Amino acid sequence: DGGITQSPKYLFRKEGQNVTLSCEQNLNHDAMYWYRQDPGQGLRLIYYSQIVNDFQKGDIAEGYSVSREKKESFPLTVTSAQKNPTAFYLCASKTPSTGNTGELFFGEGSRLTVL
Amino acid sequence: KNEVEQSPQNLTAQEGEFITINCSYSVGISALHWLQQHPGGGIVSLFMLSSGKKKHGRLIATINIQEKHSSLHITASHPRDSAVYICAVAGNQFYFGTGTSLTVIP
Repeated sequence: DGGITQSPKYLFRKEGQNVTLSCEQNLNHDAMYWYRQDPGQGLRLIYYSQIVNDFQKGDIAEGYSVSREKKESFPLTVTSAQKNPTAFYLCASKTPSTGNTGELFFGEGSRLTVL
Repeated sequence: KNEVEQSPQNLTAQEGEFITINCSYSVGISALHWLQQHPGGGIVSLFMLSSGKKKHGRLIATINIQEKHSSLHITASHPRDSAVYICAVAGNQFYFGTGTSLTVIP
């Protein structure tokens, strides 16, 4: 079955540590996204990538980094520079489309807790 | 400033009731999405629409482009419908509402 796989589902981190969240898709989608979800807020865009080897900052990119070396993979690193990293992180991809009319597919999410 | 506003924020219904969740937006869009987020956190897409109405089983989504408003209806609600329903609009980027938490009581 095609879909998006995120890992790990739960992650605990000590302050000062970098952590990397994995996102893999077998949908053959070019566009991939990382969102952060906090209680009482809508999803906020961290980074997105429209094509391999290219990515753009979203609204809240500070303290995060990404890479897109393969079409299937879009890992997110939460660095020690991120002041408030405890959150639920969602990876998504989008079917090919003109503009933003494509359908979104989401992973199951990764919950990061900083101890 | 929230580009997407949903109401109500929380909703409790008895099994079998007809449910309506509303979404208003303030930006120009090419499409509107209704998403469902289950307690585990994963999100699935229910509908994507740019005009009119779509139906899938007991779910119906409508959109009025002129009024910048969409509704999600659930007919004959069931406890398995309990989830958070999120409205998202596709403008120059995706904008997401804060979600409506629905609990359907048997």
